[in-house]
Amino acid sequence: GNSVTQMEGPVTLSEEAFLTINCTYTATGYPSLFWYVQYPGEGLQLLLKATKADDKGSNKGFEATYRKETTSFHLEKGSVQVSDSAVYFCALSEGSGGSYIPTFGRGTSLIVHP
Amino acid sequence: SQTIHQWPATLVQPVGSPLSLECTVEGTSNPNLYWYRQAAGRGLQLLFYSVGIGQISSEVPQNLSASRPQDRQFILSSKKLLLSDSGFYLCAWSGQGTGRNEQYFGPGTRLTVT
Repeated sequence: GNSVTQMEGPVTLSEEAFLTINCTYTATGYPSLFWYVQYPGEGLQLLLKATKADDKGSNKGFEATYRKETTSFHLEKGSVQVSDSAVYFCALSEGSGGSYIPTFGRGTSLIVHP
Repeated sequence: SQTIHQWPATLVQPVGSPLSLECTVEGTSNPNLYWYRQAAGRGLQLLFYSVGIGQISSEVPQNLSASRPQDRQFILSSKKLLLSDSGFYLCAWSGQGTGRNEQYFGPGTRLTVT
């Protein structure tokens, strides 16, 4: 079956530091890959996505590149802000065989200090 | 544009009482609909999903049930709540098609069973 593995958190950084949150996946087919963000007390929001190998998804200064050879989709940001403090989820969606069930990682909490 | 609504936002219910949570989607037709539960620890647990009116798939056997009486309405129910049903309930939708689409989440319902 499919799976998504994220680095354990919390990740604690100072403002303007560089961020990397690792994500690796296993899939039986050729999935789309996503990063979602969840702010305290809210639902998840789509942050970025990539649908094929070597695609780079980007949004709000965050980036992630679909690496098929290493089955990875690491999230990066060059300079984090306090407002980036949230939980980040890596996910894949394959849709093979008529399946409409995405697979989520367990989430990585990011805490940014001023 | 599409929007997704959930209500109520918060709910405190005694053990053994019934439950009804509602989710509606606007601005799209024939969406795939999902119910998730998020307990402490942040992970998402898929409870039910639906690809059409009256079509419900259960991922976790338990005392919850779901119904889809209209195309853009998804209801989560229970006849008798358990303490273990406490959590943050999220509804989500995705577009029909390949199954590789992103999901859009509602704001969530915080349920506390006392």
